[in-house]
Amino acid sequence: DGGITQSPKYLFRKEGQNVTLSCEQNLNHDAMYWYRQDPGQGLRLIYYSQIVNDFQKGDIAEGYSVSREKKESFPLTVTSAQKNPTAFYLCASSKSSWADGANVLTFGAGSRLTVL
Amino acid sequence: SQELEQSPQSLIVQEGKNLTINCTSSKTLYGLYWYKQKYGEGLIFLMMLQKGGEEKSHEKITAKLDEKKQQSSLHITASQPSHAGIYLCGADRLTFGKGTHLIIQP
Repeated sequence: DGGITQSPKYLFRKEGQNVTLSCEQNLNHDAMYWYRQDPGQGLRLIYYSQIVNDFQKGDIAEGYSVSREKKESFPLTVTSAQKNPTAFYLCASSKSSWADGANVLTFGAGSRLTVL
Repeated sequence: SQELEQSPQSLIVQEGKNLTINCTSSKTLYGLYWYKQKYGEGLIFLMMLQKGGEEKSHEKITAKLDEKKQQSSLHITASQPSHAGIYLCGADRLTFGKGTHLIIQP
């Protein structure tokens, strides 16, 4: 079955360390997204990519970096510059970009990052 | 930027009762999406509304978009324990409401 796989499900990090969250999709979707979810904050967009080798900053990109070298993969790196990285991270994909109209997102199961 | 306001923030409903969740946009919506999330998991797509006055139903869940395309409601009829979770509305420009936490009491 097609879907999005996020790994790891749980991750612990010491302050000052970078950590990379994996996101892989086999839906042949063009667009991919990273969101952060905090209690009471809803989902906030970190980065998105509409095509391979191209990505744009979302609302809260500071302290994060991404790459899109392959259509199927969109890893997110949480750097030591991110002041409050403890959160639930969600990766999503869509067949086309939001600018093209109907934009149903398919989500992964999420990765919970805790900074010790 | 577009903002989506959801109400109520949380809702406790007795099993078998009906309930409504609202989503209000600060701007005209091109598309409005409803998702459901179980705690600690990803979001599952429920329904998409694009036309003013549009209404869609799936099993016991009905979503409507008003004529002005700035407000949507999600109505659950005869609620069941399986309906418990977080309901989020989302808009085309990749923004989401903060979610409504729904608890179903047996």
